[in-house]
Amino acid sequence: NAGVTQTPKFQVLKTGQSMTLQCAQDMNHNSMYWYRQDPGMGLRLIYYSASEGTTDKGEVPNGYNVSRLNKREFSLRLESAAPSQTSVYFCASSEAGTGGYTDTQYFGPGTRLTVL
Amino acid sequence: AQKVTQAQTEISVVEKEDVTLDCVYETRDTTYYLFWYKQPPSGELVFLIRRNSFDEQNEISGRYSWNFQKSTSSFNFTITASQVVDSAVYFCALSDVVDNAGNMLTFGGGTRLMVKP
Repeated sequence: NAGVTQTPKFQVLKTGQSMTLQCAQDMNHNSMYWYRQDPGMGLRLIYYSASEGTTDKGEVPNGYNVSRLNKREFSLRLESAAPSQTSVYFCASSEAGTGGYTDTQYFGPGTRLTVL
Repeated sequence: AQKVTQAQTEISVVEKEDVTLDCVYETRDTTYYLFWYKQPPSGELVFLIRRNSFDEQNEISGRYSWNFQKSTSSFNFTITASQVVDSAVYFCALSDVVDNAGNMLTFGGGTRLMVKP
C-alpha cells in the first residue's frame, strides 16, 4: 500500500516549456487535489477533483490544467511554464466525495519544480 | 472567507522543553474541521490530527496535545518534552462544510520548530 505517489520528484524547466506532473493513489479515495507550496507560505489549492470525471478550480488555478484520468490518477499540466511557477507541488487524496462531509487529506511526497 | 493564522514563524527550543504552537482561524461557518500536519526536513506532509467544530474536548496523543477553544477561534498544539525528531514545520489547516463540495483545505503559513540537543 503505497498511499499517494508522485512523479517526478524533481524537475527543471525552461520558461515556455510544458510538462505534466503525475499523481496516483491506491487507497480507493474519491477526491484528489493539487497544491503548491511556496517558501514561507502554507499550501495553496490549485485544482481538485471531488469524484472521477469532475474537476474544479481552487485558489490559484491560472497557468494550470488538470485531468482526472480515472479514480486512481490525477495529473497536473503546465502548458507554458513561467518562473512564477517555481514551487513544490503536492498531490493529495481523501476518501470523501461531495455531500458536505470533510475527510482527512493524505499527501504525496511532493515534486520540486524549478522554472528558469 | 476562511483564514488560518500561525503567528509564530519560527520557534527554537532545547530538547526536553515543552513548546506550544499557536493557530487562530476565521470562518463564517458553524460546522468546520481543523487539522494539524507535520512537514519534516524530508519534505512530506504527515497528518497529525483532525477535529470537528462540535468537539471541544482536548486531545492527547503521547507527547502531543491539542487545545481547541471555539471562544477564541484557536486550535493550539503542544509538544511535551520535545525531542530533536520533532524538528519540522507544522501546519494548521481549516476546512468548512457549506462551500466545500471538494473538501478544500486552507492552510496557515506554518511554524518552523527547531529542537536543539
